[in-house]
Amino acid sequence: QVQLRESGPGLVKSSQTLSLTCTVSGDSISGDGFYWNWIRQPAGEGLDWIGRISASGSTNYNPSLKSRATISLDSSKTQFSLKVTSVTAADTAVYFCARWSTYDGMLDYWGQGMLVTVSS
Amino acid sequence: QSALTQPRSVSGSPGQSVTISCTGTSGDIGNYRFVSWYQQYPGKAPNLMIYDVSRRPSGVPDRFSGSKSANTASLTISGLQAEDEADYYCCAYAGTNTFVVFGGGTKLTVL
Repeated sequence: QVQLRESGPGLVKSSQTLSLTCTVSGDSISGDGFYWNWIRQPAGEGLDWIGRISASGSTNYNPSLKSRATISLDSSKTQFSLKVTSVTAADTAVYFCARWSTYDGMLDYWGQGMLVTVSS
Repeated sequence: QSALTQPRSVSGSPGQSVTISCTGTSGDIGNYRFVSWYQQYPGKAPNLMIYDVSRRPSGVPDRFSGSKSANTASLTISGLQAEDEADYYCCAYAGTNTFVVFGGGTKLTVL
């Protein structure tokens, strides 16, 4: 059974960098056929795709983040990370990591989510 | 503002059927078969209910069904049960760079 779990600081100061890690168990990030994603959800709002990374390290990002987001793979091949620079209150949200299956076009496994609050 | 348009809320009585629409464009729903639907309870992660427009993952009741016509996808829940009360999000593949777009979510109330 594939499991994902987000971890990192739950409180970040305005203008600083948000850093989160997603730990994957039950699957290898280095396998073909999947993309590893970050998605966020502000309180009371909908889901917003942040970006994705493939096993080879190829990345795509939502242009709305204006190049503030970076996703990377850990050398252990069991974790991938998200960094968002110059955060503001608008970046306060629950952050989810999720697996996208390229064969079926679906986000089939999600982490439980982690609330990150940006404080002034 | 979300890329895909969903009604903010729908409601139905137990045993009835409800349909949630999701309208996109020729660049997403209208161009690809990768439309999926997610159920989300408060404080929980989204859970995959429908993928590839109309396919159900194992464990999802056959009361849930999906369809698509042109730029609009739909999720139908028949035989409503109290446990179906949740938020529902549609998601569509939109090409290599944009990747995926979501709807704003629909709150389903079981009366």
